[in-house]
Amino acid sequence: AQKVTQAQTEISVVEKEDVTLDCVYETRDTTYYLFWYKQPPSGELVFLIRRNSFDEQNEISGRYSWNFQKSTSSFNFTITASQVVDSAVYFCALSGMDSNYQLIWGAGTKLIIKP
Amino acid sequence: GAVVSQHPSWVICKSGTSVKIECRSLDFQATTMFWYRQFPKQSLMLMATSNEGSKATYEQGVEKDKFLINHASLTLSTLTVTSAHPEDSSFYICSARDRTKTGYEQYFGPGTRLTVT
Repeated sequence: AQKVTQAQTEISVVEKEDVTLDCVYETRDTTYYLFWYKQPPSGELVFLIRRNSFDEQNEISGRYSWNFQKSTSSFNFTITASQVVDSAVYFCALSGMDSNYQLIWGAGTKLIIKP
Repeated sequence: GAVVSQHPSWVICKSGTSVKIECRSLDFQATTMFWYRQFPKQSLMLMATSNEGSKATYEQGVEKDKFLINHASLTLSTLTVTSAHPEDSSFYICSARDRTKTGYEQYFGPGTRLTVT
């Protein structure tokens, strides 16, 4: 069975601090995809990144970076120099053959950036 | 590219009435569309998967007769909440899979907020 765990329910930091959102997954598939989505108060999901299981290279996009480690089944997301506009709920998700490529969602982490 | 729209974005209806929500892929063809439900402060819950031209596959616990899904074309799927009750109030999100893309990525609509009074 596939599972995604986001243990941090809510994180609150002061603007300009760095913050890491954790994501741990379980799957028996050898080929799978990992995703991060942002959901601001408006509700519309914003796609951030997709990673396939064969690509363990870390990725950086501006202030965002992702650390994919198959050895620990983790796909953590770091925001550097956080800004108030980063406040949102962030979801990690997994897709693989075991779930017929449906998305398995984590519970989400609510990130609050205080000015 | 890969834009999915939903209509309406919000709707208020009276208990006992039916509400239809449309999900359209605007610039691609979607053989598969998904319908999710999201309660406040919770994650997305998959309700059903619909494939163009065939019956939707509902997740366990989702009432087929209450949540009617129709996927009549490669760009349109509809969710009808029949005889809505206050407990059906929720945020409904659709997504679509581009038949030409690999990676099984889903493109999400902006969501529809349903309030049943």
